[in-house]
Amino acid sequence: GIQVEQSPPDLILQEGANSTLRCNFSDSVNNLQWFHQNPWGQLINLFYIPSGTKQNGRLSATTVATERYSLLYISSSQTTDSGVYFCAAPLNYGGSQGNLIFGKGTKLSVKP
Amino acid sequence: DSGVTQTPKHLITATGQRVTLRCSPRSGDLSVYWYQQSLDQGLQFLIQYYNGEERAKGNILERFSAQQFPDLHSELNLSSLELGDSALYFCASSVQWLGSPLHFGNGTRLTVT
Repeated sequence: GIQVEQSPPDLILQEGANSTLRCNFSDSVNNLQWFHQNPWGQLINLFYIPSGTKQNGRLSATTVATERYSLLYISSSQTTDSGVYFCAAPLNYGGSQGNLIFGKGTKLSVKP
Repeated sequence: DSGVTQTPKHLITATGQRVTLRCSPRSGDLSVYWYQQSLDQGLQFLIQYYNGEERAKGNILERFSAQQFPDLHSELNLSSLELGDSALYFCASSVQWLGSPLHFGNGTRLTVT
């Protein structure tokens, strides 16, 4: 099955700074998703992005499927951006299983 | 609000006991997933159902079982509980069983004492 690796594991930012989180995956994907787990434990789907670039406010994501990586950009960070960011990909490309395999996450702390 | 409802929010029980976690998917979603999140194992996929049928199975223990009912809600049954079963259990739903965004409920925090 696919391996999903995220970097960096931890990131501390000052409010207003920009950041880039990376997700590498070991196999081809047709489904790549980014999630944010806030300090209260809620998991929010940020992007469904099997390829290309998407933007949602201060957040954007790019997946380069041929090179097996995805990037999540956070601009003008706010304290509410704190939490853990996960990327997830299907266990098997083109397979019959829809479940996602999650990376270990990037823990982001934004200081005021 | 993701639209996925999980109950209860918290559960405290003793070793050896049995509990049932409940999940109602978003309106229109046919697929339900169960995940376990613990500090040492991260987010682990347990099982997936689509329109009442089991579609995929992950690292789910034999002491655990699940089902999806005709109204599409799902239940996860955990029996003969051990201390190591303490974790956050998430339910997620999606429209299709492949290739669609997952939306998570707020989770059930299980503490086994």
